[in-house]
Amino acid sequence: DADVTQTPRNRITKTGKRIMLECSQTKGHDRMYWYRQDPGLGLRLIYYSFDVKDINKGEISDGYSVSRQAQAKFSLSLESAIPNQTALYFCATSDSGTPGNEKLFFGSGTQLSVL
Amino acid sequence: SQKIEQNSEALNIQEGKTATLTCNYTNYSPAYLQWYRQDPGRGPVFLLLIRENEKEKRKERLKVTFDTTLKQSLFHITASQPADSATYLCALGKGDKLIFGTGTRLQVFP
Repeated sequence: DADVTQTPRNRITKTGKRIMLECSQTKGHDRMYWYRQDPGLGLRLIYYSFDVKDINKGEISDGYSVSRQAQAKFSLSLESAIPNQTALYFCATSDSGTPGNEKLFFGSGTQLSVL
Repeated sequence: SQKIEQNSEALNIQEGKTATLTCNYTNYSPAYLQWYRQDPGRGPVFLLLIRENEKEKRKERLKVTFDTTLKQSLFHITASQPADSATYLCALGKGDKLIFGTGTRLQVFP
């Protein structure tokens, strides 16, 4: 079983629709992240959370919101999807900020297409 | 603003040779640097981390160097195999902040 699970794997939606991408992890990590990946732009951070009561904006948070429902669950919502939000979305986790534990563990990604 | 450069062109090498990938950066002083491997349709997988006070790190057939004066990291895969074909991402870190490069695709042919 995957340690970081994203659902759905693929999603096609229409402009203006609200959608939610979900992420759950069994690694017991306290930190969780949402990234998007676009060709030629690399991975960009959308939001991150260091524990259940902590939510932080990343580099490109406009048009997105998140919810940390539990230590193991972190969901990303697009309130009103637009075509330029078409991208590959990744959830990631990491252990707490201890030197040597900065590496990220990624899910398999959600390919989102907004028509 | 900080900028990370990885060769956008694919690197094609013959099996058994050493593959060398480059990660250059500007306007940044990272405390550590990471390398990830990404296969098509999959999430990146962590390979190695090297800190600013380390010159070189090895893991099996992988070697990473970090030159903070040149602002460059080199990632080497020795005795490359077709199974090493993937996209390799570098990421610069300082504290809790991690910035990714766009990646270089490596193709190892028999």
